[in-house]
Amino acid sequence: DIVLTQSPDFRSVTPKEKVTITCRASQSIGSSLHWYQQKPDQSPTLLIKYASQSFSGVPSRFSGSGSGTDFTLTINSLEAEDAATYYCHQSSTLPWTFGQGTKVEIK
Amino acid sequence: QVQLQQSGPGLVEPSQTLSLTCDISGDSVSSNSAAWNWIRQSPSRGLEWLGRTYYRSKWYNDYAVFVKSRITINPDTSKNQFSLQLNSVTPEDTAVYYCARDGGVGALYFDCWGQGTLVTVSS
Repeated sequence: DIVLTQSPDFRSVTPKEKVTITCRASQSIGSSLHWYQQKPDQSPTLLIKYASQSFSGVPSRFSGSGSGTDFTLTINSLEAEDAATYYCHQSSTLPWTFGQGTKVEIK
Repeated sequence: QVQLQQSGPGLVEPSQTLSLTCDISGDSVSSNSAAWNWIRQSPSRGLEWLGRTYYRSKWYNDYAVFVKSRITINPDTSKNQFSLQLNSVTPEDTAVYYCARDGGVGALYFDCWGQGTLVTVSS
């Protein structure tokens, strides 16, 4: 199975700060990497598809980059509503797998 | 707009069968492009993909190896829904279970999720 490792596990940030989350795959997955946001007691929601494509309705402060084994989710000018856990997910090879999550807390 | 509505019991006894249903609105379980997935989430193991069902002129299923001997995902075209059955459950199967849609080839991401069902395995 492809293992996805996110870093960091936790970030405590102030509003308007820039946040960068990385996801490293155990083998090359091309651009088959997607990012989700999960707020407490809610289902995950899609933010970025295929490494860098924004999903419909997602604020422009969210962006993604990368290919192969190294990927990045960037949140520019963090807002209070962005407090959540962020997950990466690969769909290159079955079984689909997820990163362990990165929790972003607002100071 | 696609919506997924889950139903099923929140408590299952050990060794029994966990059964959940996901009702689809705004799309068809028989879609020739989408696939219908079950995913679970627990504090100890995070998000785990369990399996999927999809129709491409005939029905297909894919299952995660770690549950393959215990899982069945079935479509119900008459009700436009799909179901999860997990046999011989143990407390390790305690988790929030989600159904989710992916768009198939070229759209293999989960763009719609059910509301989640907390299933506790306990006597």
